[in-house]
Amino acid sequence: QVQLVQSGAEVKRPGASVNVSCKASGYTFDKYGISWVRQAPGQGLEWMGWINAHNGDTKYAHKFQGRVTMTTDTSTTTAYMELRSLTPDDTAIYFCARDTTTAVFFDYWGQGTAVSVSS
Amino acid sequence: QLTQSPSSLSASVGDRVTITCRATLVISNSLAWYQQRPGEAPRLLLYSASILHSGVPSRFSGSGSGTDYTLTINNLQPEDFATYYCQQHYSVFRTFGQGTKVEV
Repeated sequence: QVQLVQSGAEVKRPGASVNVSCKASGYTFDKYGISWVRQAPGQGLEWMGWINAHNGDTKYAHKFQGRVTMTTDTSTTTAYMELRSLTPDDTAIYFCARDTTTAVFFDYWGQGTAVSVSS
Repeated sequence: QLTQSPSSLSASVGDRVTITCRATLVISNSLAWYQQRPGEAPRLLLYSASILHSGVPSRFSGSGSGTDYTLTINNLQPEDFATYYCQQHYSVFRTFGQGTKVEV
């Protein structure tokens, strides 16, 4: 069965970077994409960006351009999301989700990684 | 941009519930719906406005066209009390609606 297993919770200081991983299994990794979606406490879902696991193409939401980098390692079927220059507003649950290579919808989700940013 | 209505609603087991999602431009049926229970990751229900994702009960259905779309839940079950989000997949820059909480 399709599974996406994310790395554990993180606590960061303002100005730091965070790197969240997402280990995929149960499907052919490079035939799909991965999107990252975050959810601030008590808030809705916010799409951050997408990466095509086949060729590494990326699309980032304008809000995160210049501050986020998404990568994949096909040898370990793992996706990574790095977010830099963290502020308290980045405190959220970060989800990875399986996407299509044409960036459509998210049919399987990771369990989420809590990132807390505080001085 | 996607606007859902209502933001929340109260319902009972067995009810029929309708949630609306309005886009600011025509999205040509490129709409997905998700369910999120507290403390859980979202779950895909439907995509392309009306196609039921694998394993989703048939009491969930979607319809609409142009800018206006609807999620309908027939015979509401206890496990359906959750927050529902629409998401457009017309643009590669995906966006979500703000969510609709279905409460007892």
